[in-house]
Amino acid sequence: DGGITQSPKYLFRKEGQNVTLSCEQNLNHDAMYWYRQDPGQGLRLIYYSQIVNDFQKGDIAEGYSVSREKKESFPLTVTSAQKNPTAFYLCASSKWQGREKLFFGSGTQLSVL
Amino acid sequence: GESVGLHLPTLSVQEGDNSIINCAYSNSASDYFIWYKQESGKGPQFIIDIRSNMDKRQGQRVTVLLNKTVKHLSLQIAATQPGDSAVYFCAETSTGTASKLTFGTGTRLQVTL
Repeated sequence: DGGITQSPKYLFRKEGQNVTLSCEQNLNHDAMYWYRQDPGQGLRLIYYSQIVNDFQKGDIAEGYSVSREKKESFPLTVTSAQKNPTAFYLCASSKWQGREKLFFGSGTQLSVL
Repeated sequence: GESVGLHLPTLSVQEGDNSIINCAYSNSASDYFIWYKQESGKGPQFIIDIRSNMDKRQGQRVTVLLNKTVKHLSLQIAATQPGDSAVYFCAETSTGTASKLTFGTGTRLQVTL
């Protein structure tokens, strides 16, 4: 079955540590996205990518970094510069960056130790 | 993931009844709208979408109504079932690009037996 796989489901970060969240899709979608979800707030866009080796900052990119070396993969690194990293992180993809619905992964809950 | 949805408005509906979940938007230029369902600890699932050239669209047991005059969107679920219990949120965009989707904060639907 086609879909988006995020791992791990739960992740814990120590002070000053960088952590990487994995996102893989086999939907053959061109565009991929990372969102952050906090309680009581709507999803906020961190980064997005329309094609391989290209990505753009979203609304809250500070403290995060991404790469898009393969069409299927869009990993997100939460750096030590992100002072409030505790959140639910969602990866999504769409066929292209137009009026297309997003397909979401199952999410990664990141917490600070 | 498990903490997402705290402090959200909640709609309690008895099993078998119809549910109506509302969403107000502020951008009069918005022309594409999506409803998502999110179960606890999971990623959002696409339910139904509608473009601004329509005022109603039906799916399986769901209907979306769009009132552009008052900038209001609603999701109607017929014969609500326990499996419908989740957080529902709308998303909208005016630019035709998925990266510019604006997400609402959501409504929790509780189905009572």
